Amino acid sequence: GDSVTQKEGLVTLTEGLPVMLNCTYQTIYSNAFLFWYVHYLNESPRLLLKSSTDNKRTEHQGFHATLHKSSSSFHLQKSSAQLSDSALYYCALSEGYNQGKLIFGQGTKLSIKP
Amino acid sequence: NAGVIQTPRHKVTGKGQEATLWCEPISGHSAVFWYRQTIVQGLEFLTYFRNQAPIDDSGMPKERFSAQMPNQSHSTLKIQSTQPQDSAVYLCASSPLGGLSAETLYFGSGTRLTVL
Repeated sequence: GDSVTQKEGLVTLTEGLPVMLNCTYQTIYSNAFLFWYVHYLNESPRLLLKSSTDNKRTEHQGFHATLHKSSSSFHLQKSSAQLSDSALYYCALSEGYNQGKLIFGQGTKLSIKP
Repeated sequence: NAGVIQTPRHKVTGKGQEATLWCEPISGHSAVFWYRQTIVQGLEFLTYFRNQAPIDDSGMPKERFSAQMPNQSHSTLKIQSTQPQDSAVYLCASSPLGGLSAETLYFGSGTRLTVL
């Protein structure tokens, strides 16, 4: 079945360094959508960005990701980490049209240190 | 707009007891989703409804879990004979168009269930 893999459970970085959170997926659907959701402590998870277009960079709130269907990847990046970026980040997959269910990865906790 | 409302925020049950979790979706949203959040598994899909009809319950443990959506303003997740492994944060989400692909899910704050 469809699946999403986030290999890093915890990423710890110093403020100002670049961020890269890895996400790979498996699906049989050619029109799948990929998402990043962010879950800050004491808040609800919310959408950060999404894409279904191959090789197109998607940006929001300083983060960006590019869907690469050839390698089934959708890594999340940011050029310079801020303390406020500390949160739990989930990569998710929607299987295709008329399928609202999202398949989430295990999540990566990003911890930014001063 | 108050967002998705989940009650209670915290629930503690003894092993073998029943737990009922409540979710009020955003007004006007057509789809409601239930997820379970644990450190090990991340966010696991449980079930979802579109226009109150059950669409997909493939993530629901068959024996003790059930979900209902009796009207457009609330959904419940019931766990019978709770076990320690059921301890998790249960998240409800809604979406505007009935769960079509690429829709944003709007999550509630979750119910933290602890089974002693």
